[in-house]
Amino acid sequence: DTAVSQTPKYLVTQMGNDKSIKCEQNLGHDTMYWYKQDSKKFLKIMFSYNNKELIINETVPNRFSPKSPDKAHLNLHINSLELGDSAVYFCASSQTEKLFFGSGTQLSVL
Amino acid sequence: GENVEQHPSTLSVQEGDSAVIKCTYSDSASNYFPWYKQELGKRPQLIIDIRSNVGEKKDQRIAVTLNKTAKHFSLHITETQPEDSAVYFCAARSNSGTYKYIFGTGTRLKVLA
Repeated sequence: DTAVSQTPKYLVTQMGNDKSIKCEQNLGHDTMYWYKQDSKKFLKIMFSYNNKELIINETVPNRFSPKSPDKAHLNLHINSLELGDSAVYFCASSQTEKLFFGSGTQLSVL
Repeated sequence: GENVEQHPSTLSVQEGDSAVIKCTYSDSASNYFPWYKQELGKRPQLIIDIRSNVGEKKDQRIAVTLNKTAKHFSLHITETQPEDSAVYFCAARSNSGTYKYIFGTGTRLKVLA
């Protein structure tokens, strides 16, 4: 069983479109995250939810909107996609210390 | 703001040699320091971690040291093998309540056979 799963794995879309990435964890963790990994491999935190409550909201354009319907799910919706949004987006979860990553979604904006 | 610096950005070693990657953190409230290995096209995976009340931890060929006073921590890989080739990330997690993990900029390790 995959502990942190995210879909889709690949997403290719045109500039200006709206897209969503979904994430689910079956570890029973209270905290979930979205990280962005750019072409230089830098891992930057975007958002974090603890038990459905937003606790970290970094300097991210408001075109990005996370939603956590329950503590096992954290989705990311992106409006009006731009070329600079192309990256790998990782979902992650943790309970106390260890952070577990999903397999990533490679977003390519053309 | 919180910051984690990581050096070197690239590291090439001969198979069997040791590799050392160093990180420095800025947030004094950090109390947990994991290391992640990311192979090409894969997710980052936890390989070893250390808490702020411990100075050193070892797991087979990998070890991590922490100097809390200097805010430095390092990853040591001995007897490197080609399969150790990957990007390695250090991270620091604050104890401030938001559980924010700040990652270093990564080190691309190449083990030459």
